[in-house]
Amino acid sequence: EVQLLESGGGLVQPGGSLRLSCAASGFAFSSYAMSWVRQAPGKGLEWVSLIFSGGSTYYADSVKGRFTISRDDSKNTVSLQMYSLRAEDTAVYYCAKDFGGVGVKFDYWGQGTLVTVSS
Amino acid sequence: EIVMTQSPATLSVSPGERATLSCRATQSVSSNLAWYQQKPGQAPRLLFYGASTRATGIPARFSGSGSGTEFTLTISSLQSEDFAVYYCQQYNDWPLTFGGGTKVEIK
Repeated sequence: EVQLLESGGGLVQPGGSLRLSCAASGFAFSSYAMSWVRQAPGKGLEWVSLIFSGGSTYYADSVKGRFTISRDDSKNTVSLQMYSLRAEDTAVYYCAKDFGGVGVKFDYWGQGTLVTVSS
Repeated sequence: EIVMTQSPATLSVSPGERATLSCRATQSVSSNLAWYQQKPGQAPRLLFYGASTRATGIPARFSGSGSGTEFTLTISSLQSEDFAVYYCQQYNDWPLTFGGGTKVEIK
């Protein structure tokens, strides 16, 4: 059974930093792209970042230069290091697994971890 | 950036009725479109990819169609468990983008 378990969310002041982690199990982690998708309270889904199995990374313009995605295939984890946090980064952050094949779409999601940026 | 627009924002439907949801892209995404269902307090669930291919375990009352810039998700006979928010997502180009969602509510 595929499981994705996020951790690391919490309350942080504007300008602060936070590191999210996602522990994956139940599939060949090293073979799949992994992503972070966020959802602000009461709002829709926003893709944040993705890392391919080979290590290539992509970012939404809204977080480029502030967030860094990484993966550790030996530990089956993907992380999101967030710097210079803003109020508009407040959201539930989901870890999501790429389905594979052509293009990136997400077949498994974690339950999310809430990040609140507020003074 | 490809902008995905979903309509209507809210759809009020009675159980057993048909629901038709629309998703439009600002430029062609070919068939590189996915649909998700999200219930309150839950993570999204993949319904379709390739615009019309059902994901594992998705009931046949759900169907997806379209290509290019116009896409449709149809639920042929709404069941109680289908009342949720539905999102489309294009994966033809970076950045990946989602539509704003359509909430299907009980009439």
